[in-house]
Formats: sequence, structure tokens, C-alpha cells
Amino acid sequence: GAGVSQSPSNKVTEKGKDVELRCDPISGHTALYWYRQSLGQGLEFLIYFQGNSAPDKSGLPSDRFSAERTGGSVSTLTIQRTQQEDSAVYLCASSLSQNNEQFFGPGTRLTVL
Amino acid sequence: DAKTTQPNSMESNEEEPVHLPCNHSTISGTDYIHWYRQLPSQGPEYVIHGLTSNVNNRMASLAIAEDRKSSTLILHRATLRDAAVYYCILRDRAAGNKLTFGGGTRVLVKP
Repeated sequence: GAGVSQSPSNKVTEKGKDVELRCDPISGHTALYWYRQSLGQGLEFLIYFQGNSAPDKSGLPSDRFSAERTGGSVSTLTIQRTQQEDSAVYLCASSLSQNNEQFFGPGTRLTVL
Repeated sequence: DAKTTQPNSMESNEEEPVHLPCNHSTISGTDYIHWYRQLPSQGPEYVIHGLTSNVNNRMASLAIAEDRKSSTLILHRATLRDAAVYYCILRDRAAGNKLTFGGGTRVLVKP
């Protein structure tokens, strides 16, 4: 079946612009996660959704970052007033429930000029 | 999340076994040991997980020390496709399902 999909695959933006990154989880997966991976770095947790609510937002680096999930499915990560340090690969993952293995999407590579 | 320590890199020959160690001396009773791997230019991929007993699946085996302060991921016959960064992660089941990734071990497989 279809895996986790993310769009766009690549995004180049100018400093100060807002960007929206989309994640389509595997159908039926109630848990959804956002991570980011900066060049040469490990993966950093950003936020976790169970259904449409976000019980853990502890990884969001600043109030410029926000995320929502609607209908228990698609999620959007929004970065306002982008900065060069926001450049990274943003990865989305989903799991059947909060205690199951996570399936990762291919990521969105964000470049802020 | 409790911290794990892994070697930065390991090399193996194709079709030979690979043993990837992980130290987690501060593991708590509610921590599960998870392994994920990340192939070049891809998102991470689940490999295996366990709590106390050794585990086997089609991809690998996980050997957990009796005191749970260390574990070893075993790839029985390395292939070129197994070249990846392997992450050993402790997940506190009582604290949700977020994964805290460390530096991982970069595995190089030589033909």
C-alpha cells in the first residue's frame, strides 16, 4: 500500500517568507510526527499528533513554527518568516498508534536563501 | 530520554555478519530499545525493537544484555543495500512515542 508522502519534495524560499510543508500519513494511522534533519546532523523531534491534537510540541524551535492536523489525516507544518538556519530536511512519520513503529516519508528539503 | 552511545562507523565485507553495539547505561525500566536505519537520501526505516528478551525478525536480530545496559544489533549477512546509518534509540513508553535520535553508526559494506 501507499506509504507516507510529503510535498513538496524540494522548496527554495527567500529569507522572511512563510512556507507550508504537507504530510499525508498512511491511511488509518492515528499518530503523526514531524522531525527535521539539518545538514550532517541527526534527526530532531519537532511535534507529535495523536488524532488532531498535539500532546507534545516540545521540539518546535520557536513560535515561528506551527503545525496542524485535520480530519485525523493530513498535517501541515508552517514556518513563518523563514531564516537561513531553518534550512533542513523536514521528515514526517506516522504510526498505527502511539506505541507502534514509525513509518517515515521521503522528506521535504527546505533551502532558505 | 535516556542517552545511547554508539561507534561513529563500522566496516564490513559483503555477506559477512555485522554486530553493531549500543551502550545505554542509564536505561530505565519503561524504556524500549529501538533500532532504525537511514539509507542515503531516504527517511529512517524501522529495523527492530525489544524490551528484555532477544528478538529476531526478517531484517536483523537484537541481543539485549541481561542488565539491559547494552544491546547489539546483528545483521546476519550484510549486503550492499545494508549500507546506512543505524540508530539505537531508547523510547520511554510512558512518555509517548517520540524518537530521540543520536549520532548513529555509519555502516560501510565492502563488496
